[in-house]
Amino acid sequence: EVQLLESGGDLIQPGGSLRLSCVASGFTFSSFGMNWLRQAPGKGLEWVSFISNSGGSTYYADSVRGRFTISRDNFKNTVYLQMSSLRVEDTAVYYCAKRLSTVIAMGRGASDIWGQGTMVTVSS
Amino acid sequence: QSALTQPASVSGSPGQSITISCTGASSDFGVYNSVSWYQQHPGKAPKLMIYDVSNRPSGVSNRFSGSKSGNTASLTISGLQAEDEADYHCSSFTGSSTLVVFGGGTKLTVL
Repeated sequence: EVQLLESGGDLIQPGGSLRLSCVASGFTFSSFGMNWLRQAPGKGLEWVSFISNSGGSTYYADSVRGRFTISRDNFKNTVYLQMSSLRVEDTAVYYCAKRLSTVIAMGRGASDIWGQGTMVTVSS
Repeated sequence: QSALTQPASVSGSPGQSITISCTGASSDFGVYNSVSWYQQHPGKAPKLMIYDVSNRPSGVSNRFSGSKSGNTASLTISGLQAEDEADYHCSSFTGSSTLVVFGGGTKLTVL
């Protein structure tokens, strides 16, 4: 079964740091780009970051650039999101999601497999 | 505030068809036809329903269809069923440093 399992969410004070992990199974992890997305309580989805299959290319939303770092370990089938200088507005459920296709021109921006999400709460 | 604009809510009766719009600036869509739609039931992770404007992933009902005209993408659900009641989110690949933008989501109520 194709599956993503996030962990690492917690209650943290503003200015703090947190690392989220997402372990993949059931597919060739090293072949697919991976995304992190988030959803604040009662709000819509927000794309956060993307990492290419090799880890050589990374992209970030303006709202997190310079504070968050995405990385991956293809030997451990795991993608990470290192979050620092956390703000109250970073409070959300964080999802990792698999890029739809290994074909660059197919399904740009689309994610077909999502984890169950992990809650990050930034509050004093 | 979301980059793409969706209606906050739509409703329809079982068997009817509804359409959800998703409007943005030219820069939100870039030069790509890479609009996706996701269905999200309460407390659940989103599910990909449409990619590349009008393509359905394997396993998604053909009652779901997508289209795009200019700077507006649309999701149409025909033959509404009770289980279609959910939130629907559109997204677009921009090709810029912010790779993907989303709409604010639309709550579909099946009356």
